[in-house]
Amino acid sequence: DTEVTQTPKHLVMGMTNKKSLKCEQHMGHRAMYWYKQKAKKPPELMFVYSYEKLSINESVPSRFSPECPNSSLLNLHLHALQPEDSALYLCASSQGASGGGWKETQYFGPGTRLLVL
Amino acid sequence: AQTVTQSQPEMSVQEAETVTLSCTYDTSESDYYLFWYKQPPSRQMILVIRQEAYKQQNATENRFSVNFQKAAKSFSLKISDSQLGDAAMYFCAYRSTTGTYKYIFGTGTRLKVLA
Repeated sequence: DTEVTQTPKHLVMGMTNKKSLKCEQHMGHRAMYWYKQKAKKPPELMFVYSYEKLSINESVPSRFSPECPNSSLLNLHLHALQPEDSALYLCASSQGASGGGWKETQYFGPGTRLLVL
Repeated sequence: AQTVTQSQPEMSVQEAETVTLSCTYDTSESDYYLFWYKQPPSRQMILVIRQEAYKQQNATENRFSVNFQKAAKSFSLKISDSQLGDAAMYFCAYRSTTGTYKYIFGTGTRLKVLA
């Protein structure tokens, strides 16, 4: 099973709202990622969690707040977003261990399409 | 810092024909991983094929194969017997074997398959 699930699939929010995106995997992966993807562009890395600890924060504005409550779950809390934050938000996971190419493969979820009004 | 370049923003291929997508990268490392991902319109990004830099043999997965030229830092994807379902955005990606879990993506190539 190489499935990463994300909820919700679509989200519309106002600039004063607070919402959360959820990502889940049951592959035993210990690295989880949040990406932002604009149309016809590559994914832009936002955060990486390794063994439930934040290991990379790509200078993302504080209106995005990640959380990794356990090894299977990754959340992205959203607050006071701007219209330019409208995008597809992708979650991914990988084994998180070195020693073999396949273990470094990222598996992506279907994404949450976010529209900020 | 590593970079990944996909110089073809868009490619077209006739159904059943063969097409090659280009990817070059820049790195000072000797060991790393390279990937091709496919993202159909409004659909999930999925792995197409992967290559470990220490392996000289080119990876193949059914109709998909790569031409890995380590000295030239080139990693092209060949799709044989193209099918309508191959139409998608294709991203080349690089990942170091050391340090962080950061993946470097190219800008993508949009592949159109003509019936």
